[in-house]
Amino acid sequence: RKEVEQDPGPFNVPEGATVAFNCTYSNSASQSFFWYRQDCRKEPKLLMSVYSSGNEDGRFTAQLNRASQYISLLIRDSKLSDSATYLCVVNSYSGAGSYQLTFGKGTKLSVIP
Amino acid sequence: DGGITQSPKYLFRKEGQNVTLSCEQNLNHDAMYWYRQDPGQGLRLIYYSQIVNDFQKGDIAEGYSVSREKKESFPLTVTSAQKNPTAFYLCASIPYTGAGQPQHFGDGTRLSIL
Repeated sequence: RKEVEQDPGPFNVPEGATVAFNCTYSNSASQSFFWYRQDCRKEPKLLMSVYSSGNEDGRFTAQLNRASQYISLLIRDSKLSDSATYLCVVNSYSGAGSYQLTFGKGTKLSVIP
Repeated sequence: DGGITQSPKYLFRKEGQNVTLSCEQNLNHDAMYWYRQDPGQGLRLIYYSQIVNDFQKGDIAEGYSVSREKKESFPLTVTSAQKNPTAFYLCASIPYTGAGQPQHFGDGTRLSIL
């Protein structure tokens, strides 16, 4: 069964803090990985792709450990505007030339003044 | 501006009624997807289409139907057979099906039962 597991939180952190989210996936044949951000009652928006070598985009750093089937997202110097739900998303081959995304249930972050 | 447009934003369904949710994209994307999201839950795949005139069932297709007569359009019908239709419905698309392709979403339709 394809699954993506995340700690649901909520994570309540003060402004300026560093916070890390973890995600595990069960399908060892998964091909690509993403973090999405979803604000309350809005659609998910792509935050960043996750590459094997790890990648950084400003205050955000994503890491992938294929051996452990584990993905992480680190947010440094948290801002109030970072408050949202963060979705871990895994892209896997589903047969007949198609790939499908499997979404975690999300981790809720609240950044407190 | 290119993007994915879903309409309506809010929709109410009466008992026994079929309703259709619209999804249009002007991104020239080949593949389109419909998801359902329930409160506190992850997105679940209803149907997807990789090319015009072809579509495949996702994990929770029962009670739903789709069509893909044009590349730009992928409407979803919630039939009366779907007994628990209240949810947030999201349409997504990607340029082509393949590894490494993140999906981009429309802003969703909230469906409720009257």
